[in-house]
Amino acid sequence: AQKITQTQPGMFVQEKEAVTLDCTYDTSDPSYGLFWYKQPSSGEMIFLIYQGSYDQQNATEGRYSLNFQKARKSANLVISASQLGDSAMYFCAMREGRRNYQLIWGAGTKLIIKP
Amino acid sequence: EPEVTQTPSHQVTQMGQEVILRCVPISNHLYFYWYRQILGQKVEFLVSFYNNEISEKSEIFDDQFSVERPDGSNFTLKIRSTKLEDSAMYFCASSESGEAFFGQGTRLTVV
Repeated sequence: AQKITQTQPGMFVQEKEAVTLDCTYDTSDPSYGLFWYKQPSSGEMIFLIYQGSYDQQNATEGRYSLNFQKARKSANLVISASQLGDSAMYFCAMREGRRNYQLIWGAGTKLIIKP
Repeated sequence: EPEVTQTPSHQVTQMGQEVILRCVPISNHLYFYWYRQILGQKVEFLVSFYNNEISEKSEIFDDQFSVERPDGSNFTLKIRSTKLEDSAMYFCASSESGEAFFGQGTRLTVV
């Protein structure tokens, strides 16, 4: 079974609109962390935001926020006021347990911002 | 701002040759990782390294792969006898205890 599922292979969004990228996860470990990374066409992997399973509040970082719904096992990324520079691949990833070891990755969503 | 540095950015090698991919993690980080991403596919975990030893490895990380921390700053991935299917972007990452910070990647092309 997929541990991380990103159901949107691609999305087109008008500049300045908000966009929500979906991510659902599957784990039986009560302690886990959820991450979002951005990968522009240049290829580097840029950390955006982190949510721990015990965090009481949804994580926010500037224009990025994470809509964490624990009971539904979803961790959607919300980008407010999208910009042309937001066009990229976006990956959701999970680290299980308290180990600082591997991240498990989703297949990614290709976001294109239209002017 | 501290960053993870990888060299080279691109490497082309002949099938069967050995390659060494180099990484300089962020200096106060304790956990180091290698991931790879075949073009158009998911990012895949290869190996994690902590306290001068491998802490976890995936089934991809077979005997042709090895990692080393030869000195206090470098972290290397060696592929002993490259195959065509090793062509991918290889990412090094490091973390202190939370999020992993990634290098810009090395694009390896095996011909």
